[in-house]
Amino acid sequence: KNEVEQSPQNLTAQEGEFITINCSYSVGISALHWLQQHPGGGIVSLFMLSSGKKKHGRLIATINIQEKHSSLHITASHPRDSAVYICAVFSGVMHEKLTFGTGTRLTIIP
Amino acid sequence: DTGVSQNPRHKITKRGQNVTFRCDPISEHNRLYWYRQTLGQGPEFLTYFQNEAQLEKSRLLSDRFSAERPKGSFSTLEIQRTEQGDSAMYLCASSFSGAVQYFGPGTRLTVT
Repeated sequence: KNEVEQSPQNLTAQEGEFITINCSYSVGISALHWLQQHPGGGIVSLFMLSSGKKKHGRLIATINIQEKHSSLHITASHPRDSAVYICAVFSGVMHEKLTFGTGTRLTIIP
Repeated sequence: DTGVSQNPRHKITKRGQNVTFRCDPISEHNRLYWYRQTLGQGPEFLTYFQNEAQLEKSRLLSDRFSAERPKGSFSTLEIQRTEQGDSAMYLCASSFSGAVQYFGPGTRLTVT
């Protein structure tokens, strides 16, 4: 079993829909990253959080440390949101390395 | 500063050849990370540096792989005697003392 599991693996939605991507992890962590990866490889950090909730524009990330679960929400989705969204946790002995989920491929149809 | 840069962006090499990739982190960042990503998978941790010290190496990093960060600035990742299984995207990221990691565009390696 992977240490970081994401669901769904693939998600297709109509423009304007509310999107939720889930991440569950099985290791102790110090913080969690949500990352966005566009075709061609570039990875951008969206959020880094260790508790509660963060919001940036139409993106909202929440984390529940007790349940070892995080969610990424996108409100009023747009075709430019189409990308792979990756959850990654800081783990390891010194919590220095990122362990990544396999990603959720999101496609927003106009 | 324009962010993390990696060179080359693409590398095609024949099996058995040696290759070297370079990563230039954001200038004030003391930590530098190398990851490998194969098609359809999330990135996997390879190694990381704090300044010039290599503090952790994944067991994925076989003896054919070596990484250096000689002056605590840029880093190089060398793969000796490349194998087809080494074909992947090699990603570099940097951060300041474990904060948000900023990723470079990656070097895509194809071993034929």
